[in-house]
Amino acid sequence: AQTVTQSQPEMSVQEAETVTLSCTYDTSESNYYLFWYKQPPSRQMILVIRQEAYKQQNATENRFSVNFQKAAKSFSLKISDSQLGDTAMYFCAFMLFSGGGADGLTFGKGTHLIIQP
Amino acid sequence: GAVVSQHPSWVICKSGTSVKIECRSLDFQATTMFWYRQFPKQSLMLMATSNEGSKATYEQGVEKDKFLINHASLTLSTLTVTSAHPEDSSFYICSARVGKETQYFGPGTRLLVL
Repeated sequence: AQTVTQSQPEMSVQEAETVTLSCTYDTSESNYYLFWYKQPPSRQMILVIRQEAYKQQNATENRFSVNFQKAAKSFSLKISDSQLGDTAMYFCAFMLFSGGGADGLTFGKGTHLIIQP
Repeated sequence: GAVVSQHPSWVICKSGTSVKIECRSLDFQATTMFWYRQFPKQSLMLMATSNEGSKATYEQGVEKDKFLINHASLTLSTLTVTSAHPEDSSFYICSARVGKETQYFGPGTRLLVL
């Protein structure tokens, strides 16, 4: 079974600062994907960024980027120029990919990110 | 594109009754949908995988007789909570798989059992 660990229950930074959320995972599989999802107070899950395990290059999406260290099983999220709208719960998630397609997601416990004005 | 809807968005029911939650993919066909459960201030836990035209696959510890899942078409999966009890009160979220790896989530259904 796979596990995902987020060791920061809550983080708070000032607007425009850069913040990094940490995530580690444990698996014996080689074919998988990693994701960061954002859950604002509306509770709608929003995909922030994804990373294929077979790709060495770190994924980036505008202000969001990841630091994927496969050997260390680490997958951190960096948010640059943080904005008030970034305030939300952030979940790191693992997805195993088998021949028939992707399995369901295994989530970490989440990090509550607060952006202060 | 890739919009997933859920209905109802919230429901209150009496203990012992059954409640059905619908999950629809509005602009795409989804052979696979997933059901998750989220308790207050906690993470999402995968309950089951719903495959169109076949029986759902439940995660360990999830009672399949209590949480009935039906995926009768390529755009609709339903979760029925049978004989609901207060401990079943939770936030239920579905997702639909697009292609082989991307999942899009519905807005969730808040269930309160009195």
